[in-house]
Amino acid sequence: GAVVSQHPSRVICKSGTSVKIECRSLDFQATTMFWYRQFPKQSLMLMATSNEGSKATYEQGVEKDKFLINHASLTLSTLTVTSAHPEDSSFYICSARIGGVHQPQHFGDGTRLSIL
Amino acid sequence: SQQGEEDPQALSIQEGENATMNCSYKTSINNLQWYRQNSGRGLVHLILIRSNEREKHSGRLRVTLDTSKKSSSLLITASRAADTASYFCATDAKDAGNMLTFGGGTRLMVKP
Repeated sequence: GAVVSQHPSRVICKSGTSVKIECRSLDFQATTMFWYRQFPKQSLMLMATSNEGSKATYEQGVEKDKFLINHASLTLSTLTVTSAHPEDSSFYICSARIGGVHQPQHFGDGTRLSIL
Repeated sequence: SQQGEEDPQALSIQEGENATMNCSYKTSINNLQWYRQNSGRGLVHLILIRSNEREKHSGRLRVTLDTSKKSSSLLITASRAADTASYFCATDAKDAGNMLTFGGGTRLMVKP
């Protein structure tokens, strides 16, 4: 069964709306979660590393004020796309890893965000 | 920028044939991982191969790793229509803080 749950799976909203996406680890604690963005027919691009109890680490070119990440507990990280615009439309995916370095990451099912 | 490059970008084969996908990367790694993504879904982990391993099998999947050439391959034998998906390699680089860097992916279509 799924070990990482992501919600919602699909969002359609008007330009200027802020959208919150949740990523939950099920039955395990995740001190670190990762947020990716994926454009159609392209690969995953890491946006940020979410750290429980501390500030997220953003990749170069990702606006911190645009993509707010909160990792308030060991099982929940949220990504808020603030004042979303059509260019923010994309597929957003989170992941978490159970255990040490030679363990795979477990991915949520992704959120399809469409800004009108 | 992505560390991994994959080829081919797209592959179309008939059911029963084998599919081979290749991945190259640039830096030293702890391990290399292969993932599968069905359209509009998240990624599913297939195989993880450590930097000191050269080959690994899982069912119809066979992964090789050549650290001297910084390359890996994924072979799917006796393909099925249900194998149609995108396949990504991802590297867990040393000193990269647990993050994965993904290749561009190979879109595989298996025709029944």
